[in-house]
Amino acid sequence: LAKTTQPISMDSYEGQEVNITCSHNNIATNDYITWYQQFPSQGPRFIIQGYKTKVTNEVASLFIPADRKSSTLSLPRVSLSDTAVYYCLVGTRAGNQFYFGTGTSLTVIP
Amino acid sequence: EAGVAQSPRYKIIEKRQSVAFWCNPISGHATLYWYQQILGQGPKLLIQFQNNGVVDDSQLPKDRFSAERLKGVDSTLKIQPAKLEDSAVYLCASSLNRDSRTYEQYFGPGTRLTVT
Repeated sequence: LAKTTQPISMDSYEGQEVNITCSHNNIATNDYITWYQQFPSQGPRFIIQGYKTKVTNEVASLFIPADRKSSTLSLPRVSLSDTAVYYCLVGTRAGNQFYFGTGTSLTVIP
Repeated sequence: EAGVAQSPRYKIIEKRQSVAFWCNPISGHATLYWYQQILGQGPKLLIQFQNNGVVDDSQLPKDRFSAERLKGVDSTLKIQPAKLEDSAVYLCASSLNRDSRTYEQYFGPGTRLTVT
């Protein structure tokens, strides 16, 4: 399993764009990158998944450089409700995306 | 669409007692997972089922933990006997299929276990 490295915590003011970077130097050719969000006392929730370049959905954007050794989750104009832990996972699309690591604890400040 | 259901939500037991958790995945989801999440850490996969067969249980402490998924739907996770270090949130998740185009796990609310 490809391990991932993320910052332990980040702070941001409301309304700002937040970028969380994940390092995955040992990513394999068939691996996808997936991000989950977890609020206190809840299970993780899928945010976005990508393989290369850029993926965007209604919640976030995911930027993946050509070498795919890192990825950046971008949250536009964060609000207080975006305060959560964000996990980056790497694995094949059909399976083994199970290593959550410790995640990045994002705190949005009013 | 109903989400993943888990019960109980909270459980307090003494060490050396036994406990069981129940999970009902999203209808039609073939793959079911049990995770253990210790406070301050990310979820750790314990066991993965594909229908009613075990795909991966390499991180399940088999001397005290057991899990089953009868008929490929509901699942139970049991701990017997419990230790203090088993205090954690036990999360159940399901996904449509291991070969689905979009791999996405849907998590339940979890069961918070406290072992005293």
